[in-house]
Amino acid sequence: DAGVIQSPRHEVTEMGQEVTLRCKPISGHNSLFWYRQTMMRGLELLIYFNNNVPIDDSGMPEDRFSAKMPNASFSTLKIQPSEPRDSAVYFCASSPSQGARDNEKLFFGSGTQLSVL
Amino acid sequence: AQSVTQLGSHVSVSEGALVLLRCNYSSSVPPYLFWYVQYPNQGLQLLLKYTTGATLVKGINGFEAEFKKSETSFHLTKPSAHMSDAAEYFCAVSEGDNFNKFYFGSGTKLNVKP
Repeated sequence: DAGVIQSPRHEVTEMGQEVTLRCKPISGHNSLFWYRQTMMRGLELLIYFNNNVPIDDSGMPEDRFSAKMPNASFSTLKIQPSEPRDSAVYFCASSPSQGARDNEKLFFGSGTQLSVL
Repeated sequence: AQSVTQLGSHVSVSEGALVLLRCNYSSSVPPYLFWYVQYPNQGLQLLLKYTTGATLVKGINGFEAEFKKSETSFHLTKPSAHMSDAAEYFCAVSEGDNFNKFYFGSGTKLNVKP
């Protein structure tokens, strides 16, 4: 398997523009996570899905952020409008199981480096 | 609620020296504990994890960690550092009743000097 695939790897945009980050989880994984990594706050969980359903979005910073998972093989994280403080690395991760303790593990994508000017 | 504290945002060791990266957690339920490594411009990779059983866990690349319940710690060690170990290391905890929610520490950057 190719692993978790994120696109784009780098995104540079101007303040006010819409940004869409994409993620393809590992085939067969039924949980998907979006994380944001910044120097100040470290790794923050934004939202996670189980079987395509959002389970916990309490980490989404504000209404400008939205995430969707229309099917088991694709998810998007959208920021509209973007602001300079959104600049960070955004990671997508997937996990093969829910509740199967011994198999619990996150597989991370390489991240999207977002710069909002 | 869970929280994870990693002491020291930067650790520097000489090649061949002991590596010790500290992680303490708070948890009201038995935790699952993880160490992830992030190399420059890459995503995170699992180094090792503790779920149940033996409290000393061995991972990849010669790393190991020991779960000490009395100290609420899960420190990462490696007897002899290699230049290729230079990376950022993240400790993580998942909730006992909600395995899908991971809490990460702020990370420790390991520098290995020749």
